[in-house]
Amino acid sequence: GAVVSQHPSRVICKSGTSVKIECRSLDFQATTMFWYRQFPKQSLMLMATSNEGSKATYEQGVEKDKFLINHASLTLSTLTVTSAHPEDSSFYICSARGASGGSSTDTQYFGPGTRLTVL
Amino acid sequence: DAKTTQPPSMDCAEGRAANLPCNHSTISGNEYVYWYRQIHSQGPQYIIHGLKNNETNEMASLIITEDRKSSTLILPHATLRDTAVYYCIVRVPQGGSEKLVFGKGTKLTVNP
Repeated sequence: GAVVSQHPSRVICKSGTSVKIECRSLDFQATTMFWYRQFPKQSLMLMATSNEGSKATYEQGVEKDKFLINHASLTLSTLTVTSAHPEDSSFYICSARGASGGSSTDTQYFGPGTRLTVL
Repeated sequence: DAKTTQPPSMDCAEGRAANLPCNHSTISGNEYVYWYRQIHSQGPQYIIHGLKNNETNEMASLIITEDRKSSTLILPHATLRDTAVYYCIVRVPQGGSEKLVFGKGTKLTVNP
């Protein structure tokens, strides 16, 4: 299957600082990328969907000014957690889907996740 | 949106087949069934997907009932490394940007 990478794999930061997480599709072009969040012992929750070159679509209850998403190229999307607080500590996972988006046969591939701890 | 129902947990002996059921009784005609699994502290891994016909790949087989209201993921010879949470997901179309919505999945434990 296709490979999606994330960087960093884990990050610890102080409360009030901003953290940027990168998501890259390594061997395919991704017109659509997704960002999920997962708290301990819970399932993945979709935060936002981003299409290359356009603004992200956020799920209900997700603050767009706090979780800034940039999808500037077909292989890179970034999630910036601004003014992070301890309650933002979570496992953040990105996902990417191929360039022929819109087809029901397109498969979403996931990155390995980024563990964010806010002190 | 079609939703899925899976048993919260299952056990399987190493070397035996693991059969994971999923109900999706409100699935629409053009919606696919996807299976992913998540090993602890990792991102989900794609396993297989299908629409109507049974599918098989190097990882697993997917059996979809004729009425498409349920499906079964089969791991033919489970190993300890197959211990994971398995998610059955129906692809949800949303304004052209289809998204995957995860339920709680089935925690499969493969025992030696």
